[in-house]
Amino acid sequence: GQQLNQSPQSMFIQEGEDVSMNCTSSSIFNTWLWYKQDPGEGPVLLIALYKAGELTSNGRLTAQFGITRKDSFLNISASIPSDVGIYFCAGQTNYGGATNKLIFGTGTLLAVQP
Amino acid sequence: DTGVSQNPRHKITKRGQNVTFRCDPISEHNRLYWYRQTLGQGPEFLTYFQNEAQLEKSRLLSDRFSAERPKGSFSTLEIQRTEQGDSAMYLCASSLRSGRGYEQYFGPGTRLTVT
Repeated sequence: GQQLNQSPQSMFIQEGEDVSMNCTSSSIFNTWLWYKQDPGEGPVLLIALYKAGELTSNGRLTAQFGITRKDSFLNISASIPSDVGIYFCAGQTNYGGATNKLIFGTGTLLAVQP
Repeated sequence: DTGVSQNPRHKITKRGQNVTFRCDPISEHNRLYWYRQTLGQGPEFLTYFQNEAQLEKSRLLSDRFSAERPKGSFSTLEIQRTEQGDSAMYLCASSLRSGRGYEQYFGPGTRLTVT
């Protein structure tokens, strides 16, 4: 199945550092979402973006909807140990009659050393 | 407000057996989705319900798979004659149109192991 390109594949950082990851697609989406998944659990929604160029924050997380509508970025500031997990981007098409199914990225594994 | 729930959380079965999973969406969410996730990959779309109608099925959903959502509430996903390649995490998500779009909320998943 189709998966979006997400980078980096993994990151190993020190507590307190800032983190950046991105997601690119060959297709245009009109919604981008970012999820975090812990081992053995389902993805948890972090941020949803609905407009090209939109910049949205959720606490220490900031995400942007790329102006080409083919990419999105997630930044985490001042990382803490509980930020550990796998981060997934997901693209979605919303228009009349669409299923709004999510196309996921390949994931970024984040490890934070205290 | 309870989230999406899925049962069982884990299922171990022998090849050739049938299995059934259940998903209870967030109440009043009219859209329900099933995804499959294998190790090291992102979830992949399987099928979608709007109320009780199944409106889309992925090519990943072979003839051995069937999903239902009677009365537009909970949903079941059945796999007949399981194969080792069916081993994966099966995720359910539900959504309702918010002010800006259809944000999907996931359940904890059912981990299937076929031996």
